[in-house]
Amino acid sequence: AQSVSQHNHHVILSEAASLELGCNYSYGGTVNLFWYVQYPGQHLQLLLKYFSGDPLVKGIKGFEAEFIKSKFSFNLRKPSVQWSDTAEYFCAVQGTYKYIFGTGTRLKVLA
Amino acid sequence: GAGVSQSPSNKVTEKGKDVELRCDPISGHTALYWYRQSLGQGLEFLIYFQGNSAPDKSGLPSDRFSAERTGGSVSTLTIQRTQQEDSAVYLCASSSSLGGQGYTFGSGTRLTVV
Repeated sequence: AQSVSQHNHHVILSEAASLELGCNYSYGGTVNLFWYVQYPGQHLQLLLKYFSGDPLVKGIKGFEAEFIKSKFSFNLRKPSVQWSDTAEYFCAVQGTYKYIFGTGTRLKVLA
Repeated sequence: GAGVSQSPSNKVTEKGKDVELRCDPISGHTALYWYRQSLGQGLEFLIYFQGNSAPDKSGLPSDRFSAERTGGSVSTLTIQRTQQEDSAVYLCASSSSLGGQGYTFGSGTRLTVV
């Protein structure tokens, strides 16, 4: 069965710190991978996506993610976080049509 | 419309009552999805529509839950005889194909069963 694991449930960082959020998935076929972000009081927004090709994908607001097929991972990174990055981040994998989401990581950035 | 619209945004209901949640997807989006977001549980898939048909209802938690979609557009999720464990945020998303370009989510309906 498909599953997605986000091991960091809560992360607290100071501004300008580097960020890496882990995401591992379980699926026995070709997948599409996504990161979504939910800012406080707002709806989920697509941050970035991977379908094929270059395993390093760049998204909005300076975020990037690297697909490592051998590790079944799709970790999210940002070199220098800002207070405005405070949000909940969800990793998702799509096998056929539906998305399977991880449980989310709550990021708090201290000003 | 410009985005996915859900109504109501908040709903408080008494245990045992029926509720209807509405989703108006982006115009032209053929695929529509319902998810449930509970604290600490992530997003739980409920049902998927392609046009008016629902090929996958596997995520509906019980037979108290049902959904329909009419005219390839608006969808309604109905919960009968609500229970306290139904309290959650119910999210609707739509996409132009089978989700391959990413979903667009609505703001959700926060359901509280008291």
